[in-house]
Amino acid sequence: QVQLQESGPGLVKPSETLSLTCAVSGYSISSGYLWGWIRQPPGKGLEWIGNIYHGGTTYYNPSLKSRVTISIDTSKNQFSLKLSSVTAADTAVYYCGRVSGANSPGYYFDYWGQGTLVTVSS
Amino acid sequence: EIVMTQSPATLSVSPGERATLSCRASQSVSSNLAWYQQKPGQAPRLLIYGTSTRATGIPARFSGSGSGTEFTLTISSLQSGDFAVYYCQQYNNWPPTFTFGPGTKVDIK
Repeated sequence: QVQLQESGPGLVKPSETLSLTCAVSGYSISSGYLWGWIRQPPGKGLEWIGNIYHGGTTYYNPSLKSRVTISIDTSKNQFSLKLSSVTAADTAVYYCGRVSGANSPGYYFDYWGQGTLVTVSS
Repeated sequence: EIVMTQSPATLSVSPGERATLSCRASQSVSSNLAWYQQKPGQAPRLLIYGTSTRATGIPARFSGSGSGTEFTLTISSLQSGDFAVYYCQQYNNWPPTFTFGPGTKVDIK
């Protein structure tokens, strides 16, 4: 059973960089799949942040691209998110997930972490 | 950029009744459409992918249909555990991007 677990600071100051890590168990991320981040502001909908292939190729939401970096560490079986120059608008629950779809129309998130709330406040 | 819309925003349904949720894309997404269910305090759960394929463990009362720009999620007979928010999500082949709809909340009538 694939499991994902987000970790990182729950409070980040405005203008600083938000950093989160997603630890994966039950599957070796070096074996394949896309891995991604999604966020959800309190009481609002889901926003895709970006994905990374096991080989390191990344794809980002154009609206966040200038501030986002996603990286992968296959030796630790985890991937990470950095979001720079944060403001209160970046306050959200951040989810990590696995992307499937190589054998079907489209791609989708089939496994999700439980999510972690990050608040941007001084 | 592909924009996704969902209707209605809220759907009030009695247990045992049928629920029909709509999702529309601003341009064709072919069959690259998935549906998720989210309950309060929980991560979303994949229900349907490729427009109409149920994910592992999803009961047959959930079905998806459509193509191009118009998609539908049908819950044939609502059970108590089905009251939740439902999101559609499209995948764009190039550049490889994902977009979620704003969600439809299904609550008890």
